[in-house]
Amino acid sequence: DTAVSQTPKYLVTQMGNDKSIKCEQNLGHDTMYWYKQDSKKFLKIMFSYNNKELIINETVPNRFSPKSPDKAHLNLHINSLELGDSAVYFCASSHLAGHNEQFFGPGTRLTVL
Amino acid sequence: AQTVTQSQPEMSVQEAETVTLSCTYDTSESDYYLFWYKQPPSRQMILVIRQEAYKQQNATENRFSVNFQKAAKSFSLKISDSQLGDAAMYFCAYRSISGGGADGLTFGKGTHLIIQP
Repeated sequence: DTAVSQTPKYLVTQMGNDKSIKCEQNLGHDTMYWYKQDSKKFLKIMFSYNNKELIINETVPNRFSPKSPDKAHLNLHINSLELGDSAVYFCASSHLAGHNEQFFGPGTRLTVL
Repeated sequence: AQTVTQSQPEMSVQEAETVTLSCTYDTSESDYYLFWYKQPPSRQMILVIRQEAYKQQNATENRFSVNFQKAAKSFSLKISDSQLGDAAMYFCAYRSISGGGADGLTFGKGTHLIIQP
């Protein structure tokens, strides 16, 4: 009964390719997020989506584009992959109001060769 | 912009003993939320404890408790009776309430906690 799921869990690809990571939540949350965790374990917000509207874009290159077909899904598309994109990408979700506890997916480890 | 600092890259504690992980943050806001997340080797992010800035009482969750010092902008995590399963990376995180609450979390760089059997 997974709350926040991501696919795939591992992704290995060549430089220059385009790839997508899917995220789904079944918690009824209205806000979803993407975080990037680098090789030093540092976590940084990339995007958040509320009711299909992009709320934050933290100076992420425009090769990264979040797409939300509905409130329960927030997919991450990455074009022209670069070596520096190698990282673990986490999806998360929360209610907009209140303490906003964020529930995280299991992460996707992306390796660009 | 807010920043979160965890000054201990690594901590080690004997099983059954108590350990405190430190966290300081910088903000000009008066109301916000603070969190501690745990990331074991499985890499799953697990919420350990949260604190609302407007509450003076320190949050507790079983063996986990915080020492929240708002004026000092300090938010340390105390783990009592440490267990082998507590071994993980621990991240302190800040969430702003301004901006409609849709802001993401601002994380510290993490503290790697080692439990010695």
